Amino acid sequence: NAGVTQTPKFQVLKTGQSMTLQCAQDMNHEYMSWYRQDPGMGLRLIHYSVGAGITDQGEVPNGYNVSRSTTEDFPLRLLSAAPSQTSVYFCASHKTSLSYNEQFFGPGTRLTVL
Amino acid sequence: SQQGEEDPQALSIQEGENATMNCSYKTSINNLQWYRQNSGRGLVHLILIRSNEREKHSGRLRVTLDTSKKSSSLLITASRAADTASYFCARPNYGGSQGNLIFGKGTKLSVKP
Repeated sequence: NAGVTQTPKFQVLKTGQSMTLQCAQDMNHEYMSWYRQDPGMGLRLIHYSVGAGITDQGEVPNGYNVSRSTTEDFPLRLLSAAPSQTSVYFCASHKTSLSYNEQFFGPGTRLTVL
Repeated sequence: SQQGEEDPQALSIQEGENATMNCSYKTSINNLQWYRQNSGRGLVHLILIRSNEREKHSGRLRVTLDTSKKSSSLLITASRAADTASYFCARPNYGGSQGNLIFGKGTKLSVKP
């Protein structure tokens, strides 16, 4: 099992450009999430999905869009990049809605917006 | 912010010493998790402790939970250079994010050989 994979590992964008961060998991998890990690801020939830076709907003959703057409994939779209979106982005998945489950994280995408 | 707080923010010790990290939170929980993040990598789950457990062990890790004080601690015994990483506590998000977690800001541990 590859677990949770993310592409690209690094990306530089100019303000106003759009891009999609890819995330895939092969563990057949229903639940997937996107977090951003900023220095001194810990991880903050952007969007999450509880299954194919179902997504919802997290703590910091503005400027980001998601969709979930398959169980495996959960891409994150930046519609018009801003310097405030410079961050490290992590995708995670977990098995059930119960709070006892362990989350599995991808290796992250480091994004710089100039 | 709903985030918990880890303490200290940074910790530097010598190999062989013990490292203790603390986590405080504000709301009642039924479990708390600890994760490790090596530099430039994703988070990896270490251990979960339930609210009816006061202490839990996993190898060189010992986690305690004091629900009356709303705090938890992670102890790494006989630390190694490979333990150098950031450590995060995470509690359930009962606000509706279905199984998602609220992470603290982390403790950055440096173990010098």
